[in-house]
Amino acid sequence: AQSVSQHNHHVILSEAASLELGCNYSYGGTVNLFWYVQYPGQHLQLLLKYFSGDPLVKGIKGFEAEFIKSKFSFNLRKPSVQWSDTAEYFCAVNGGDTGRRALTFGSGTRLQVQP
Amino acid sequence: KAGVTQTPRYLIKTRGQQVTLSCSPISGHRSVSWYQQTPGQGLQFLFEYFSETQRNKGNFPGRFSGRQFSNSRSEMNVSTLELGDSALYLCASSLGGLENKETQYFGPGTRLLVL
Repeated sequence: AQSVSQHNHHVILSEAASLELGCNYSYGGTVNLFWYVQYPGQHLQLLLKYFSGDPLVKGIKGFEAEFIKSKFSFNLRKPSVQWSDTAEYFCAVNGGDTGRRALTFGSGTRLQVQP
Repeated sequence: KAGVTQTPRYLIKTRGQQVTLSCSPISGHRSVSWYQQTPGQGLQFLFEYFSETQRNKGNFPGRFSGRQFSNSRSEMNVSTLELGDSALYLCASSLGGLENKETQYFGPGTRLLVL
């Protein structure tokens, strides 16, 4: 069965600091990878996704993620965070070659950006 | 284009009762997936419907069921409610093509409280 690990449960940063959130998955086959964000009081929104091709993926609001197949990782990065990035971030995966659409989510990382 | 809508947004029920939640996908989307979000278990996949048929199912008891109508709207039902069913229930829609390389778009959720 697939599983996703997000090692940082709660991260506190000051504005302009750099961000890296870890995500590791366990699955032997090809995968589709996603990062979703949930701002306070809002619904889950897609930040970025990886299906194939260039392992460095750019998303909305200056976020990017790098797929490293050998490490089963898909870490999320942003060079300079803003107060408005305060939210919960979820990494998710589904099985590329099984055809399963069902997303397996990590436990989430709560990011708090202090002004 | 309107997003995924879910009704009702909040519900309070008592143990033993049953509840029905509704989800209207984005226009043109034919796949609807349901997820349960709790503080303890995180986001977990319940089931997916496509063309009025259940295509995938997560690891939940038979008290959780769903259906999809010809207009792609979906309902999920929980019978004999238990305290542990208190959660945010999220609906996600996607185009539903044969390949699963597509984004799932989430609704705002229905928050269910079981007393």
